[in-house]
Amino acid sequence: AQSVTQPDIHITVSEGASLELRCNYSYGATPYLFWYVQSPGQGLQLLLKYFSGDTLVQGIKGFEAEFKRSQSSFNLRKPSVHWSDAAEYFCAVGAGYSGGYQKVTFGIGTKLQVIP
Amino acid sequence: DTAVSQTPKYLVTQMGNDKSIKCEQNLGHDTMYWYKQDSKKFLKIMFSYNNKELIINETVPNRFSPKSPDKAHLNLHINSLELGDSAVYFCASSQGVGGGADEQFFGPGTRLTVL
Repeated sequence: AQSVTQPDIHITVSEGASLELRCNYSYGATPYLFWYVQSPGQGLQLLLKYFSGDTLVQGIKGFEAEFKRSQSSFNLRKPSVHWSDAAEYFCAVGAGYSGGYQKVTFGIGTKLQVIP
Repeated sequence: DTAVSQTPKYLVTQMGNDKSIKCEQNLGHDTMYWYKQDSKKFLKIMFSYNNKELIINETVPNRFSPKSPDKAHLNLHINSLELGDSAVYFCASSQGVGGGADEQFFGPGTRLTVL
């Protein structure tokens, strides 16, 4: 079964600083990888996804993520954080389930706090 | 214009009661989901339906019963509510089958509090 680890439960960065959120996955093959963002009181919104091809993927709101097979990682980055980026970030992996279907497994999330 | 909507947004009830949460999507998607997000923000899938057919059924107490009258609706009925059912329940939908590769669109969530 697939699993996702987000080692950092809470990260605080200054506005304008760069950001990297870590994500490691466990799966026998290359899974589908996602980053979602959840603003307070809201549902989740997709930031970006990786299926195959170029290992550096661009997403919305200036985010990017890099897939590194050798490290089983899919870290999320942003060069300059804005106060509006304060939210919960979830890494997720889509992989095999049963009956030919797949399901998405989410990490526990990383809460990002942005200070002025 | 809401893509995935849920009602109610908040639900406060007593232990032992039965309650339902409704979900509707107007995206024309084939697959819908229910997730439970606990107090630690951990998000876990409960059920998934594709064209009204149950395709994912995780280890969930049988007090929880999803119902999909059509592919645009997926409701969640909970019998004999317990304190541990308190959580935020999210409905989601995706195009295609199975959801492993598809972007999921989430509703705003229903915060259930069991007293």
